[in-house]
Amino acid sequence: ETGVTQSPTHLIKTRGQQVTLRCSSQSGHNTVSWYQQALGQGPQFIFQYYREEENGRGNFPPRFSGLQFPNYSSELNVNALELDDSALYLCASSLAGVASPLHFGNGTRLTVT
Amino acid sequence: GNSVTQMEGPVTLSEEAFLTINCTYTATGYPSLFWYVQYPGEGLQLLLKATKADDKGSNKGFEATYRKETTSFHLEKGSVQVSDSAVYFCALSEGDSNYQLIWGAGTKLIIKP
Repeated sequence: ETGVTQSPTHLIKTRGQQVTLRCSSQSGHNTVSWYQQALGQGPQFIFQYYREEENGRGNFPPRFSGLQFPNYSSELNVNALELDDSALYLCASSLAGVASPLHFGNGTRLTVT
Repeated sequence: GNSVTQMEGPVTLSEEAFLTINCTYTATGYPSLFWYVQYPGEGLQLLLKATKADDKGSNKGFEATYRKETTSFHLEKGSVQVSDSAVYFCALSEGDSNYQLIWGAGTKLIIKP
């Protein structure tokens, strides 16, 4: 089975720019969630997508947005980048349901200068 | 709000030593509890979980028991190996979701031969 893949692995952007991060979910998974992990901290939940709609969101401003496509892959978009957006962005896929574990990709390291 | 606190690292042990990584939580309701592990250069992987009080999760020689009376979910292993060197994260799920996890800051474990 194919695991969760994220692209790109590393990215450098300038403050004020926009960025799009991509995630292909594990085969058979229909739910994708995104997390932000600052250096030395645990992940912070951004949002989750199921059936191409956002159905859960953490404490992140509207400039963080996402999409899920019919093949269950997903994008995370961040507008008006700020220096504090520098972090590792993690995508996780799962099957809808309480008992289903999250399967994480290796993440995209975003640096905002 | 809900929160997870885990012991600060790094924790450095010799091979075959006994391991305990403490994790305590604050939550309303009855969350599920998780331990995830992040090996160097890899994504987060679910290590074990427990969904109700007194449940014991176990995997790869690691164990953790959901203790509601002490709001704890300490990770233990009887004899660690060099290959166990990684960062360990304790997390809880809010409500009925398995994706909107609240994470601890992580504990880096270093095992010396």
